[in-house]
Amino acid sequence: EAGVAQSPRYKIIEKRQSVAFWCNPISGHATLYWYQQILGQGPKLLIQFQNNGVVDDSQLPKDRFSAERLKGVDSTLKIQPAKLEDSAVYLCASSLLGQGSGANVLTFGAGSRLTVL
Amino acid sequence: AQSVAQPEDQVNVAEGNPLTVKCTYSVSGNPYLFWYVQYPNRGLQFLLKYITGDNLVKGSYGFEAEFNKSQTSFHLKKPSALVSDSALYFCAVRGGSQGNLIFGKGTKLSVKP
Repeated sequence: EAGVAQSPRYKIIEKRQSVAFWCNPISGHATLYWYQQILGQGPKLLIQFQNNGVVDDSQLPKDRFSAERLKGVDSTLKIQPAKLEDSAVYLCASSLLGQGSGANVLTFGAGSRLTVL
Repeated sequence: AQSVAQPEDQVNVAEGNPLTVKCTYSVSGNPYLFWYVQYPNRGLQFLLKYITGDNLVKGSYGFEAEFNKSQTSFHLKKPSALVSDSALYFCAVRGGSQGNLIFGKGTKLSVKP
């Protein structure tokens, strides 16, 4: 089974520039998540999709972050304009949706490391 | 609000010795508890989970965890540590079948030969 694919793996940008990250989840996984992991901290949920609908984006800084999952498969996370504090690893994860979905395991991609200078 | 605490930033053990990585949680309702491991430049990998049933849960790579409801803890254990177990370990909790998965800040495990 292919894992969660993310690109790019590394990105360095200047503050106020924009950046986009792409994620392709495991085939058949209806739920897709974007997490932000700042150095020394645990992952923090930014947004959760169920198919192509947003389930939770309460912690997404909507003035600069946006995400979409147009066809219910792959997803893009965009930051515009970037700030220094956006330097982090952006992790994409996916899981099955179904009865008892709270018990479903999240499968993570390798992450996209962003450095904002 | 749900939360999870990992009180130790780092745990150091000698190879062959038992290891424990601590986790305590706070949720309303029945907790769904998870442990993930992260190797350098890799994503998080699932180790084990507790949903219901036996308080002792066995997972990947010889790891196990014990759910203790009265102490609201879910400590990760392994009887005999390997150098290759050195990594960052995250405890996570979800309150019931809904809600987000909340991660602790992580504990760095260092196993020396």
